[in-house]
Amino acid sequence: SQQGEEDPQALSIQEGENATMNCSYKTSINNLQWYRQNSGRGLVHLILIRSNEREKHSGRLRVTLDTSKKSSSLLITASRAADTASYFCATDRNDYKLSFGAGTTVTVRA
Amino acid sequence: EAGVAQSPRYKIIEKRQSVAFWCNPISGHATLYWYQQILGQGPKLLIQFQNNGVVDDSQLPKDRFSAERLKGVDSTLKIQPAKLEDSAVYLCASSLGPPTEGYTFGSGTRLTVV
Repeated sequence: SQQGEEDPQALSIQEGENATMNCSYKTSINNLQWYRQNSGRGLVHLILIRSNEREKHSGRLRVTLDTSKKSSSLLITASRAADTASYFCATDRNDYKLSFGAGTTVTVRA
Repeated sequence: EAGVAQSPRYKIIEKRQSVAFWCNPISGHATLYWYQQILGQGPKLLIQFQNNGVVDDSQLPKDRFSAERLKGVDSTLKIQPAKLEDSAVYLCASSLGPPTEGYTFGSGTRLTVV
């Protein structure tokens, strides 16, 4: 069963704008990860946030984690056409397995 | 470092035929995963290996799917006989151990069953 659920399912923004997507999960986790998938390709690991962390940055990416609400958000600042992809959250429940959500499809318009 | 290699890239078969996918993980990665990703959905774990032992195959449809990881390196995933609903992308991923730094995924094999 899929642990994480992303919201929204799809997002269309103008180049230069920020994109925010959310992930909710059901059970306690060890860490939460975000992946990007370009059309027809494999998944690329973007960022990992541990359960005892609240915020993490990596370049233009900002991830937050609220374990009390069982939710996370991914913010992409100053979006580019190359950011067009599907974004997935994945949760690790300390059982060496990742459970993925259904993803958010982001389209960045030039 | 070299990434996770998968082959073939694409495969089209008729229902009831058999098919096999191959995965070569990153050197030294003890843990290997096979995921199934149906169009429009997130990846779903099929099987997890730790070295050459199976850790979790609870989501693997064992009546038609089988997987092995010989010598704790390469892995093959087989479907026999295939059904229309098996049409999906099959992704292989590997990690050193705990997913503390994320998985490395291969490009996947896109299977179409007609």
